[in-house]
Amino acid sequence: DTEVTQTPKHLVMGMTNKKSLKCEQHMGHRAMYWYKQKAKKPPELMFVYSYEKLSINESVPSRFSPECPNSSLLNLHLHALQPEDSALYLCASSQGSGGGVRVEQFFGPGTRLTVL
Amino acid sequence: GESVGLHLPTLSVQEGDNSIINCAYSNSASDYFIWYKQESGKGPQFIIDIRSNMDKRQGQRVTVLLNKTVKHLSLQIAATQPGDSAVYFCAEKTNSGYSTLTFGKGTMLLVSP
Repeated sequence: DTEVTQTPKHLVMGMTNKKSLKCEQHMGHRAMYWYKQKAKKPPELMFVYSYEKLSINESVPSRFSPECPNSSLLNLHLHALQPEDSALYLCASSQGSGGGVRVEQFFGPGTRLTVL
Repeated sequence: GESVGLHLPTLSVQEGDNSIINCAYSNSASDYFIWYKQESGKGPQFIIDIRSNMDKRQGQRVTVLLNKTVKHLSLQIAATQPGDSAVYFCAEKTNSGYSTLTFGKGTMLLVSP
């Protein structure tokens, strides 16, 4: 299985809502990532988990809260978002996080988020 | 031909032509590079990668060239097909501790039959 899955595919939420994005991989990868992508722009890194521990937070506002319940799952909890947070949220995984292991990242299809 | 729009450079080619997509990367210490293809409504898909100790790598219909002197990366697609139409991103691994990738701006490839 070389697939990263993400749910939901689409999400519309109000600024007062709380929602969660989910990501799953069964490739045995030990590094997982959240990216944000605006239209016609490259993906921007938000968070990196390595061996289920948060290793990088790219100064992301606290209204985005990541969680890694186990090595296969990655969540992104959303609360009090702003309309400018509307974007495609991509999850990715890689075998490891440097040190000679394969570093190519496999991406999921993304969740299209709209904040009203 | 190639044009640079307000947000995304676009390369328009005819089916069967060879395509060359270019990328200038930022960090001379980057040791690993990837080309991704992103079709509309989908996540980026891995195409080919190259390590900094190589200057050329070939895959099926694709070749990546790396010129470290001028920090330039290119993706060559042979016999371009309509299914190759997508946005192509180069990405560089810039952090020696973790495999974080920094993506280039992207180029939209439009292939007409």
